[in-house]
Amino acid sequence: DAGVTQSPTHLIKTRGQHVTLRCSPISGHKSVSWYQQVLGQGPQFIFQYYEKEERGRGNFPDRFSARQFPNYSSELNVNALLLGDSALYLCASSPRLIYEQYFGPGTRLTVT
Amino acid sequence: SQKIEQNSEALNIQEGKTATLTCNYTNYSPAYLQWYRQDPGRGPVFLLLIRENEKEKRKERLKVTFDTTLKQSLFHITASQPADSATYLCALDGDNAGNMLTFGGGTRLMVKP
Repeated sequence: DAGVTQSPTHLIKTRGQHVTLRCSPISGHKSVSWYQQVLGQGPQFIFQYYEKEERGRGNFPDRFSARQFPNYSSELNVNALLLGDSALYLCASSPRLIYEQYFGPGTRLTVT
Repeated sequence: SQKIEQNSEALNIQEGKTATLTCNYTNYSPAYLQWYRQDPGRGPVFLLLIRENEKEKRKERLKVTFDTTLKQSLFHITASQPADSATYLCALDGDNAGNMLTFGGGTRLMVKP
């Protein structure tokens, strides 16, 4: 079975721009979570969606938003990009609302 | 707020020895704790999950203990191999009905041949 896929792999944006990151979960997984990982730190939770509803939100500003589609894929949107948004953005899927998560390879976002 | 601490210094051990990594947490009573492995430039890979009512769990060369009194988990890799070199992350279910994972900063393990 294919694992979690994310696109794009790498992205370079300018301050103030908007970005959309995409994630396809493992087939059959209904939960998708988004994490931000800054170099040298552990992943930090941004959002979780389960059955197309938001089930958790981390301590991130309203510039960050997400949604889950009927096929359980998901998008993470970030508006008005700041230099500090530069990070690896990870998507994880799970067959259930909680318990172990399966991560994708991430999208490396660089804001200049 | 909950806090998770892992040794930020790299752990260097010789091949064949047992590696022991520590995860301490405060201000929280998690229902479960997880360990992940992360290689440079890649997403974390799930290794083990242990619930609050379990003291120990094993999987091949891996062993995890969970002491809710000490608020600590130990992660052991026996007969370590250079291929075990990676960053190991512990994660706890979030403080909001478990809909999120809170990760520690990770410990880098280097196994020398």
